[in-house]
Amino acid sequence: EDKVVQSPLSLVVHEGDTVTLNCSYEVTNFRSLLWYKQEKKAPTFLFMLTSSGIEKKSGRLSSILDKKELSSILNITATQTGDSAIYLCAAYSGGGADGLTFGKGTHLIIQP
Amino acid sequence: NAGVTQTPKFQVLKTGQSMTLQCAQDMNHNSMYWYRQDPGMGLRLIYYSASEGTTDKGEVPNGYNVSRLNKREFSLRLESAAPSQTSVYFCASSEVGWGANQETQYFGPGTRLLVL
Repeated sequence: EDKVVQSPLSLVVHEGDTVTLNCSYEVTNFRSLLWYKQEKKAPTFLFMLTSSGIEKKSGRLSSILDKKELSSILNITATQTGDSAIYLCAAYSGGGADGLTFGKGTHLIIQP
Repeated sequence: NAGVTQTPKFQVLKTGQSMTLQCAQDMNHNSMYWYRQDPGMGLRLIYYSASEGTTDKGEVPNGYNVSRLNKREFSLRLESAAPSQTSVYFCASSEVGWGANQETQYFGPGTRLLVL
């Protein structure tokens, strides 16, 4: 059974801190790993990672995949209160349209 | 582009009542999905439709039916609602095709359902 585990489940930091969110996966026929940010409503797409060791960046957010360790991290530098959200990690197994397995998410709270 | 839209935003049902959640996308995506999200459980796939005219069960299909009405629309029906179906329901869509990022799913705003 495909599995995605995120840690920590929740995290409270102060504005300006740097945070690292973790995601590990066990999926058959792994193809890619995706990160989503979920605020009050729907998840919004952040990154898709397919190649190991290549960092993807978008402003203060960055993510990297380690295929050897079957894991990925999402870094957020100089955090702001607007970064408060649930961050979801999902692994795509390429088995078809149902091949996306989500983790339970990390609930990040940024205190002013 | 509106992206993925869902109706209603919020619904209260009594046990045994039926209802249909509507989803539409205007991105010309082939694949559409229905998820439910419960605290501590993450997103779980209920049903999906890889292309117009096809539907398949996901992880938690019991108690639900779906209809892929056309390429744009994918509805989720609860025939006889149960309190265990109290949840937030998300519809999503993604591209399918050579070179497309099939796995990048775009989500609707969600429907919050309470079954009493």
